[in-house]
Parts: sequence; C-alpha cells; structure tokens
Amino acid sequence: EVQLVESGGGLVQPGGSLRLSCVVSEFTFSHYWMSWVRQAPGMGPEWVANIKEDGSDKYYMNSVRGRFTISRDNAKNSLFLQMNSLRVDDTAVYYCARAVNHGWDYWGRGTLVTVSS
Amino acid sequence: QSALTQPPSASGSPGQSVTISCTGTSSDVGGYNLVSWFQQHPGTAPKFLIYGVNKRPSGVPDRFSGSKSGNTASLTVSGLQAEDEADYYCSSFAGSIYVFGTGTKVTVL
Repeated sequence: EVQLVESGGGLVQPGGSLRLSCVVSEFTFSHYWMSWVRQAPGMGPEWVANIKEDGSDKYYMNSVRGRFTISRDNAKNSLFLQMNSLRVDDTAVYYCARAVNHGWDYWGRGTLVTVSS
Repeated sequence: QSALTQPPSASGSPGQSVTISCTGTSSDVGGYNLVSWFQQHPGTAPKFLIYGVNKRPSGVPDRFSGSKSGNTASLTVSGLQAEDEADYYCSSFAGSIYVFGTGTKVTVL
C-alpha cells in the first residue's frame, strides 16, 4: 500500500524556521513529481510547491517563493520543505502528495504548522 | 494568483444529481484542459476524483463526471449517496503553478 508520512510540524514564532519531511513507501519515488499542499484551518487546500523527479525543476506559489525550499532525496525516498521567515498566515496542515496528470493521487495525513507568538 | 470560484454549498436528495461549478480565467481553467477535482471528508486528506477535466482515476465510481466550457469547469455527482456528503475542491494548472477552488460543501438531504 502506498504511504506518505509527514513529520516536522509544530509551533514556531513568526520569523522562525521549520523543516518538514515526508517519507514515502510502496512506489518508485524517483519516477514521480512530488508536491507540498497546505490547508489552513477551515479553508481549502493551497498548492505550495512542486519538484521534478530528479530535483532539477522546482516551482513555488508566489507567497512562499524565496522563503520556502522544496528538495528531495531519492535514495531515501524522502521529500522535504525548508520553511524560513515563517508568517502567521503560513499556519496550516502541510500535506505531502504524489503528483500525477496535474493532480495528486496519494496524500499523506499531513503535519500541522502553527506560526504564533 | 486568485482562487477559483466555487459555490459555497450544494445539496440533493439520495439518488439525485448535483453539479458544482468552478470558475477561473483564461490563465487557468480556460487555458488548459488540466482541471482536477477532489473530495474531502472532515479530518482527512483530499481524495483524487477527476483529472484532465473529465478522466477518472482507477477506483473512482462513474457517478462522478467532469466537464468544462470556457473558463468554467463542472463536477457532476449522479445517484447521490450518503457518503458523498463532503467538501469538493477543483484545481487547475495555471502555467507552472496550480490554483485550487474555494470549495463547495455538498449536503445529502
């Protein structure tokens, strides 16, 4: 069974940093684009970033470009999101998701990031 | 990039059909046949229902169908069942980025 398991969320002050991780299993990680998608409390999902199979291409939503960095380690079946200069409006559940056909077919359970003083 | 516009709510009785719209612009929905739809029950991750405007991933019942006209995409749920009560979100490719819809809560009466 395909699994994606996120970790690294928590409470951080505005301006702080967090590094999210996602470990996947039961599929060939290196064959897929991967994404981070977030969902603020009571709101809809919001695409954050994409990374190509080999990590050579990365794309970001406007509000996180320059603050967040997506990366991957195909040898360890792992996806990462380094989040710097965090703001209150970055508060959300962050999901790791497998990208296929310009959608996302498998999602993790998410990890909660709370930015508050 | 602005969120795609969906009606906040929709409802229908068991066995009936409900159609949800998703309106964007020529930069997203209208510019690409790359609209996806997701179903989300409370406390769970979104579930992939439709991709490429009208294609269903393996395992998704054919009660779920998608279409598009101009800058507006639509999801139709036919033969409503109690388990279809959920939030539904569209998303669209928008030229290297992706945008989601505002979401529609479907209630089965």
